Amino acid sequence: DAKTTQPPSMDCAEGRAANLPCNHSTISGNEYVYWYRQIHSQGPQYIIHGLKNNETNEMASLIITEDRKSSTLILPHATLRDTAVYYCIVRGYTNAGKSTFGDGTTLTVKP
Amino acid sequence: DTGVSQDPRHKITKRGQNVTFRCDPISEHNRLYWYRQTLGQGPEFLTYFQNEAQLEKSRLLSDRFSAERPKGSFSTLEIQRTEQGDSAMYLCASSLSWGELAGLETYEQYFGPGTRLTVT
Repeated sequence: DAKTTQPPSMDCAEGRAANLPCNHSTISGNEYVYWYRQIHSQGPQYIIHGLKNNETNEMASLIITEDRKSSTLILPHATLRDTAVYYCIVRGYTNAGKSTFGDGTTLTVKP
Repeated sequence: DTGVSQDPRHKITKRGQNVTFRCDPISEHNRLYWYRQTLGQGPEFLTYFQNEAQLEKSRLLSDRFSAERPKGSFSTLEIQRTEQGDSAMYLCASSLSWGELAGLETYEQYFGPGTRLTVT
């Protein structure tokens, strides 16, 4: 499985955009980038995924570099409820869909 | 609620006892995964099922651990002779799968709330 590297922690002011980076330099051509988040004592929650094009949904935007070696999750208007651990994962059919989680980024949104 | 459910949410047991956890996936999902998460770390893969078949087990899953998914619906994870090192959150997830022959696998996994096990 391709490994990912994320900063251990980040702060963001409430109402501002939160930009969470992820490096996945060993990603292979058939692997997607997935983002999950985990609020304390809950199971991980799916946010968004993409292959090579930028993606947007009601929760966030995902920007993937052209070489696919890194990506950025953008929460456009962070709220206090977005405080969580954010995990970036790469996954494809060769690993049967199982997710290899790192330690993620702890995002703290401050008022 | 049509999400993934797990039971119990919390379990406290004494060392040496056996415990069993249950996971009910989203009904149309044919894949079911078990993960373990210790404090401050991301979830670690334990095993997964495609329908009723257990297709892969992590080396983390010692002989004291067994998982089943009879009839391809709910799944159980049993830990025999629990040890203090088994204390963790046990997470279940489910997803659809096109199967390997279909090529790229894009379906997201939906996680349950987890079962927190404390071994005293």
